[in-house]
Amino acid sequence: QQQVKQSPQSLIVQKGGISIINCAYENTAFDYFPWYQQFPGKGPALLIAIRPDVSEKKEGRFTISFNKSAKQFSLHIMDSQPGDSATYFCAASKGGGNKLTFGTGTQLKVEL
Amino acid sequence: DAGVTQSPTHLIKTRGQQVTLRCSPKSGHDTVSWYQQALGQGPQFIFQYYEEEERQRGNFPDRFSGHQFPNYSSELNVNALLLGDSALYLCASSATTEAFFGQGTRLTVV
Repeated sequence: QQQVKQSPQSLIVQKGGISIINCAYENTAFDYFPWYQQFPGKGPALLIAIRPDVSEKKEGRFTISFNKSAKQFSLHIMDSQPGDSATYFCAASKGGGNKLTFGTGTQLKVEL
Repeated sequence: DAGVTQSPTHLIKTRGQQVTLRCSPKSGHDTVSWYQQALGQGPQFIFQYYEEEERQRGNFPDRFSGHQFPNYSSELNVNALLLGDSALYLCASSATTEAFFGQGTRLTVV
């Protein structure tokens, strides 16, 4: 049973554009929702995370939007750059620091 | 701060053999989790250690076992290796909420 569904599987965005990746979860006990960025051959790096008591969190060019009633959350990358080209994973857990359930990943390519 | 360090970085083993992977957590972190990431997939939770005890376990067979030492470092052991165990094995450490990952160990079973 896939508890976190992520889309799209791949995404091509022009430099300066907005990249949007969406995730949906099933387990209403989840209360911590991080996003990770992974480059080939590297481990996932924590980008930004949100708790369900807020609807939006922004850190630099990265914004998480959270819709508790729809059980959905999304990552927006503003002013996308070629250096942002990587695989992005959403995740969820019950109690931060505990078992993370990951989405299947989105391969982002930012073209010049 | 060295962050989360894993060793070795790459490993090739033969089917049926046993393997031990090692992880040193980020300074100040007392909780270590292990994940398996197959090619093109998201990481899958194997288990988590806290205070030298296995606290949570994912849907992995008993061939996967682990240990945490008093200095919070950890080992992942896999017995009777199968071809399907070929993957990137990731260690993550945490103190409270945020989990930080190491670079992983790429295990190839032939």
